[in-house]
Amino acid sequence: EAGVVQSPRYKIIEKKQPVAFWCNPISGHNTLYWYRQNLGQGPELLIRYENEEAVDDSQLPKDRFSAERLKGVDSTLKIQPAELGDSAVYLCASSLVSDTQYFGPGTRLTVL
Amino acid sequence: SQELEQSPQSLIVQEGKNLTINCTSSKTLYGLYWYKQKYGEGLIFLMMLQKGGEEKSHEKITAKLDEKKQQSSLHITASQPSHAGIYLCGADMRGNAGGTSYGKLTFGQGTILTVHP
Repeated sequence: EAGVVQSPRYKIIEKKQPVAFWCNPISGHNTLYWYRQNLGQGPELLIRYENEEAVDDSQLPKDRFSAERLKGVDSTLKIQPAELGDSAVYLCASSLVSDTQYFGPGTRLTVL
Repeated sequence: SQELEQSPQSLIVQEGKNLTINCTSSKTLYGLYWYKQKYGEGLIFLMMLQKGGEEKSHEKITAKLDEKKQQSSLHITASQPSHAGIYLCGADMRGNAGGTSYGKLTFGQGTILTVHP
C-alpha cells in the first residue's frame, strides 16, 4: 500500500515569493493534517481536514497561509508571500478518523 | 515551556547497549504515540499506547505508559546502528472537557539517538 506522498521534497525560494506544497494521503484516509517542523523541534499542527472540511485551522497563520482539500483527497498548502521565518519542513499526515497518523516524507523549505 | 517534555535531548550509545527515552506531561495523556524520524525525512510510526500501565513491544523496542497516563518511556534493548535517528513522542492532550483537541497531536521536541558501531 502506498504511503503519504508529498511534493516537492525540497524547495528554495526568495523571500516574498509564493510557494505551494502538495499532498496525496493514503487511500481511504478521510483525515488529513499539515504540520510544520522547525529545526530541532517536534511537528506543530497547522490545519486538519476531515474530508473536505477544515475542522481545526486555529494554528494556521491566515494572513499568508492558505490550504485546500478539494474532493476530500489531495491537499495543497500555500504560502504567499514567504518570509525568512517560514523556513522549515512541512509535513503532511493522514489517518482514518481519530486513528494513527501516518506521515509523508515532508517538504524542506528554505527561504532566502 | 513544552507541554510534552522529552529527555534526554540527545543520547550517544555504543552498539549493544540498552537505552531509555522518556516523555513527560503535566496533563493526562489520552493517546501516546512514538515515532522515529531520520534526518530530513518524515515520521515513521512505532507504537501507540492508550491505557494506563499499557506496555507494547516490537522487535527490540518496548514502550510503556504509566498508570497515571502522564509519562511514557521507550526502551531499546541491545541497540544497533539502525536504531539511530530522532525519536518523537506525540500525544492527544485534549482538555478536561474532552473532545476539542480530538485527533490533534502535540509533540515533544525529540530525542536524537546516535549509536556507535
